[in-house]
Amino acid sequence: GDSVTQMEGPVTLSEEACLTINCTYTATGYPSLFWYVQYPGEGLQLLLKATKADDKGSNKGFEATYRKETTSFHLEKGSVQVSDSAVYFCALSTNTGGFKTIFGAGTRLFVKA
Amino acid sequence: DGGITQSPKYLFRKEGQNVTLSCEQNLNHDAMYWYRQDPGQGLRLIYYSQIVNDFQKGDIAEGYSVSREKKESFPLTVTSAQKNPTAFYLCASSTPLGRAGQPQHFGDGTRLSIL
Repeated sequence: GDSVTQMEGPVTLSEEACLTINCTYTATGYPSLFWYVQYPGEGLQLLLKATKADDKGSNKGFEATYRKETTSFHLEKGSVQVSDSAVYFCALSTNTGGFKTIFGAGTRLFVKA
Repeated sequence: DGGITQSPKYLFRKEGQNVTLSCEQNLNHDAMYWYRQDPGQGLRLIYYSQIVNDFQKGDIAEGYSVSREKKESFPLTVTSAQKNPTAFYLCASSTPLGRAGQPQHFGDGTRLSIL
């Protein structure tokens, strides 16, 4: 079945360091891919998305490129801030069989000042 | 502003008691979902509804029940049959299924604990 695998956390970085959180997926059909962010005590918020191969989603300095050949959607940011500390979830959705949104297990990011 | 409202933010349940978590949305979304999140883990789907008066079991529906009498509302009842209900519960909604690339919109969650 469809699945999402993302790197285990926590990831701890110093402010202004580069961030990469790896995400790979397995899916039938042609999924749309998402990154969501969850701040402490809150629900998930959409960070960015890509709906077809080679699309790049971007928002708030974060980027991710839909790579069909490697079935990956890695999240990157060139310079993290303390305020980026949160849990990041990679997810996919497909139209196969109706609804499907599959979430990864989440990666916690800590950014130190 | 449009959004999803979950209430209460914190809820306590006594042994043998049923409790109901509220979820209301004013986004005019057809689809609604309930997820359970345990500490340090991802989201697990409890129930979802694609349209009023219809809903489907997710991966962990045992011990839970839902109703969808109105498009805006999708309450979740945690019954006494759910033996380990302590968790963070998230409600979400989205535009009609079958539309590619539509994200889910989430409420701020309800944290349920056992007394």
